Amino acid sequence: QKEVEQDPGPLSVPEGAIVSLNCTYSNSAFQYFMWYRQYSRKGPELLMYTYSSGNKEDGRFTAQVDKSSKYISLFIRDSQPSDSATYLCAMTFTGFQKLVFGTGTRLLVSP
Amino acid sequence: DAMVIQNPRYQVTQFGKPVTLSCSQTLNHNVMYWYQQKSSQAPKLLFHYYDKDFNNEADTPDNFQSRRPNTSFCFLDIRSPGLGDAAMYLCATSSPGISNQPQHFGDGTRLSIL
Repeated sequence: QKEVEQDPGPLSVPEGAIVSLNCTYSNSAFQYFMWYRQYSRKGPELLMYTYSSGNKEDGRFTAQVDKSSKYISLFIRDSQPSDSATYLCAMTFTGFQKLVFGTGTRLLVSP
Repeated sequence: DAMVIQNPRYQVTQFGKPVTLSCSQTLNHNVMYWYQQKSSQAPKLLFHYYDKDFNNEADTPDNFQSRRPNTSFCFLDIRSPGLGDAAMYLCATSSPGISNQPQHFGDGTRLSIL
């Protein structure tokens, strides 16, 4: 069993849809949770990071962490074609020393 | 404003010919990382420097080495590249501790092996 599980997709949605991306994990010691967006042939770009459980909102993006269920989510409201990318979840224990990544979900938003 | 800069963006080398990839940062972060990412896979950590302290992952092949001459620069050396080393190589930085900054990535160097 992988430490972090993420559906690879692709996930195809029409423009304007609400997108839900998810990851599950097995190690309850993870404390920091991140979402990165990666466009083709580019490096991962940090979108959101949260500590422990709870919600965090930034514009059209909302990150949720449920430590009791070992489940994290990223919601994208009013999705745009420019949101088409691979979304990687990542998590770590403390100090951001080593990230454990999911395999990424490829999102396609059609006009 | 690029904060983690990797050069070159694309590198082609011959089988067995040593190659060096470079990374520089303007964030003054004390930790620098090198990841290998193959197509449709998650980034895989090769090693990292915490200041001058080098930390190798247990499964990183001996063929991969790194140097960090100062805070701003870090190099990845592949001594004898094989076909299986063709990948995107990502550099990242972070500043754990008080500021607790998460990792920021460069745009990577895509390495091809002929």
